[in-house]
Amino acid sequence: DAGVIQSPRHEVTEMGQEVTLRCKPISGHNSLFWYRQTMMRGLELLIYFNNNVPIDDSGMPEDRFSAKMPNASFSTLKIQPSEPRDSAVYFCASSPRGPDYEQYFGPGTRLTVT
Amino acid sequence: GENVEQHPSTLSVQEGDSAVIKCTYSDSASNYFPWYKQELGKRPQLIIDIRSNVGEKKDQRIAVTLNKTAKHFSLHITETQPEDSAVYFCAASMANAGGTSYGKLTFGQGTILTVHP
Repeated sequence: DAGVIQSPRHEVTEMGQEVTLRCKPISGHNSLFWYRQTMMRGLELLIYFNNNVPIDDSGMPEDRFSAKMPNASFSTLKIQPSEPRDSAVYFCASSPRGPDYEQYFGPGTRLTVT
Repeated sequence: GENVEQHPSTLSVQEGDSAVIKCTYSDSASNYFPWYKQELGKRPQLIIDIRSNVGEKKDQRIAVTLNKTAKHFSLHITETQPEDSAVYFCAASMANAGGTSYGKLTFGQGTILTVHP
């Protein structure tokens, strides 16, 4: 298996623009997680899905952030409009059985908003 | 919600020495405690985990201990090597009110471990 796949790997955009991050989880995994990592705030869970259903989105910063999982093999995290404080590394992870089993992280997307 | 505190924030040791990283958590319902290693510019990867029905778990040079009464758990690395240099994160999974596995994982702030040759 190729592991968790994320795209793009790097994204540079201007404030106010829409940003869409994409993730393909490991086949057969039923849980998918979106994390944000910054020096100041560490590794934060934004949202996680179980069997394509959002279970906990309490970590989503504000209405500018939205996430979808239309099927078991694809998820998106969208920021609209983007702001400089959104600059971070965004990781997608998947797990075969839920949050209390090993989570396999993707390579991350480094987002820079200027 | 769950709060996970991790100490120290940085740790510097000589090759061959032992390293210990400690974490405390706030929610007594938490029942899963993984440790992740993140090398510079790379993704976090699980190195060891422990569940609340076990007090200690060991895997070669790495061990984790759990004290549920005190709500703390620790990572022990023996015979450290330069390739152990990385950021280490502890985490705790809080079960939801129904006690199912739908609880989310809360990470500590990380410990930067540097092993000097």
